[in-house]
Amino acid sequence: QSVLTQPPSVSGAPGQRVTISCTGNNSNIGTGYDVHWYQLLPGTAPKLLIYGNNNRPSGVPDRFSGSKSGTSASLAITGLQAEDEADYYCQSYDSSLSSWVFGGGTKLTVL
Amino acid sequence: EVQLVESGGGLVQPGGSLKLSCAASGFTFSGSAMHWVRQASGKGLEWVGRIRSKANSYATAYDASVKGRFTISRDDSKNTAYLQMNSLKTEDTAVYYCTRQRGDSSSPPFDYWGQGTLVTVSS
Repeated sequence: QSVLTQPPSVSGAPGQRVTISCTGNNSNIGTGYDVHWYQLLPGTAPKLLIYGNNNRPSGVPDRFSGSKSGTSASLAITGLQAEDEADYYCQSYDSSLSSWVFGGGTKLTVL
Repeated sequence: EVQLVESGGGLVQPGGSLKLSCAASGFTFSGSAMHWVRQASGKGLEWVGRIRSKANSYATAYDASVKGRFTISRDDSKNTAYLQMNSLKTEDTAVYYCTRQRGDSSSPPFDYWGQGTLVTVSS
């Protein structure tokens, strides 16, 4: 059971918009710790996709965006492309556990 | 170009030991906090532990599931971080990634990742 809760899967057709939620509590996201998002393509290393809740590293398309409110965060992907099919993970820090925590991951399928 | 290259994975029996290495290049390794993250087959990412920089006394932290069995160390002269794994259990079977944390505190993201090395604990 992950400390941060994500839906196991989401799907959308090419060109559509999808969102992935990440729900925490007042020991992690709700305390003010930043939320980061990572993309895992099959057979490749995790890639930082969104950092500090809503910032994109250089090279990440602006189709990807993040937001945070209260004890939750969201990743939005607009203009879905086949290459976006991957696993997505949110991550933060938990002060009660004194550890870095990940969501359980969400598999995005592009129909 | 930034590179993190893990090595040392393999097959080990339950109760055995293994030491992983993570060779870094392309960034200021000595000033960076380094973490280990693992992923069991079909499972999600799981944080394993961290070692801070010399400026922060090389402080370490571990997930409860590995505390007392795993030890993280580093050699800044070799730009290398290590994960010593003792008393290995079957549930430690996973791909182990080393990753750099952008800043040496709680909140910064993991911005550079290695390709991972597979550890299989089985008799």
